[in-house]
Formats: sequence, structure tokens, C-alpha cells
Amino acid sequence: AQKVTQAQTEISVVEKEDVTLDCVYETRDTTYYLFWYKQPPSGELVFLIRRNSFDEQNEISGRYSWNFQKSTSSFNFTITASQVVDSAVYFCALSVTGFQKLVFGTGTRLLVSP
Amino acid sequence: DVKVTQSSRYLVKRTGEKVFLECVQDMDHENMFWYRQDPGLGLRLIYFSYDVKMKEKGDIPEGYSVSREKKERFSLILESASTNQTSMYLCASSFGTSGSETQYFGPGTRLLVL
Repeated sequence: AQKVTQAQTEISVVEKEDVTLDCVYETRDTTYYLFWYKQPPSGELVFLIRRNSFDEQNEISGRYSWNFQKSTSSFNFTITASQVVDSAVYFCALSVTGFQKLVFGTGTRLLVSP
Repeated sequence: DVKVTQSSRYLVKRTGEKVFLECVQDMDHENMFWYRQDPGLGLRLIYFSYDVKMKEKGDIPEGYSVSREKKERFSLILESASTNQTSMYLCASSFGTSGSETQYFGPGTRLLVL
């Protein structure tokens, strides 16, 4: 069975601080896919990134970066120089080959204050 | 751009009513999904469909049914709404069957059952 744990329920930071959202996953499959989604107050989940299990390279997209470490089964997400618009709930999710289902973590609410 | 739309953003229903939640996607995706989102529980899969007239139970199908008569439309039905079905309902769609596909989400429907 697959499982995703986001231990941080809520994080509060002040604008321009860096913040890391943790994601730990469990699966016995060797081929799997990890995702991050952002859910702003409007409610719609917005896709941020997908990473497959064979690609451990870290990725950077503007102020966003992702650190994938198979050794610790983690796929952490860092926002550099946070902004108020980053305030949202962030979900980490996992899927495995042959199954279209996504398993989600419980989400981390990020509050960025001015 | 992928577009997933849901028929209502907010719904208020009474206990015992039959409720229909509609979801439409415009990208010819094979797969469609219904999730419910509750605080502290993340997103949980209710049902999904990988083809017209095909459906599979997710993790919490009790009290729900679905219908997919056309590829672009996936309906979630609450046969007799109950107060414990008050929740945020999210529809998603994806293309392909490998498990690597990104799911794209609609804006969600906040359902209140009185």
C-alpha cells in the first residue's frame, strides 16, 4: 500500500523568509511518481511538479525548488523568499505504475504574512 | 490548457435529498475522478472512471454512486444526502493509464447538507 505523510499541518512565515514543506512517502513499488499541488483559497488544486522515481535530480523553478531523496523517501518543497501569494494549502501525492490513483498527504497550510 | 469545470461552487441541500454533482473536462481525457476533501484528512478518492460507462470504487464509495455516459462528463450522485457528506468535492481528469499522468482539477464544490 502507498502512503504519503505531511507532518507539518500549518506553517507561518513572514514575507521573504524561506520555507520548506516536508513530504515523506511509502511504497514498495520501484517505479512511482511524486507530485506537488497548490490549493489557494479559491479551492482549485494547481499542479506544480511531477517527478518519477528514476530521476533524483533536484529541480528549481523560479522561487520554487524540490529535493527528492530516495534514501529517506522524501520529496521536500522549498519556497525561497516567500510572498503573500504563496499562502495556500500544499499537497504532496504519490502514484505507482499501472494505477491511475493518486494517494495524497493531508496537506500543509502555509501562511505568509506581510 | 486543460479545463475541468464543476457545475456548482456552492450547494446547500437537505438531509435525504438526491444530489447531483457534475464535472466536465474538455481535453478528451480517459480518466476522471471524484474526491472529497475534509480538514485533516486530505483528499480521499470516492470513485474514478477510466472509460465511458466504466467505474471503479475508490477508498470511500459508501453513500455515493457515479455515472459516465459521455467521455467528457462524470457525475457524482448522493442518493440520499446526509450531514456527514458535508464536504468539499473535487473532480479531476487525466490522460493515459500508466500511472504517471498528472491529474487536473476543477474548482471544487462546497456542499452543505442540513
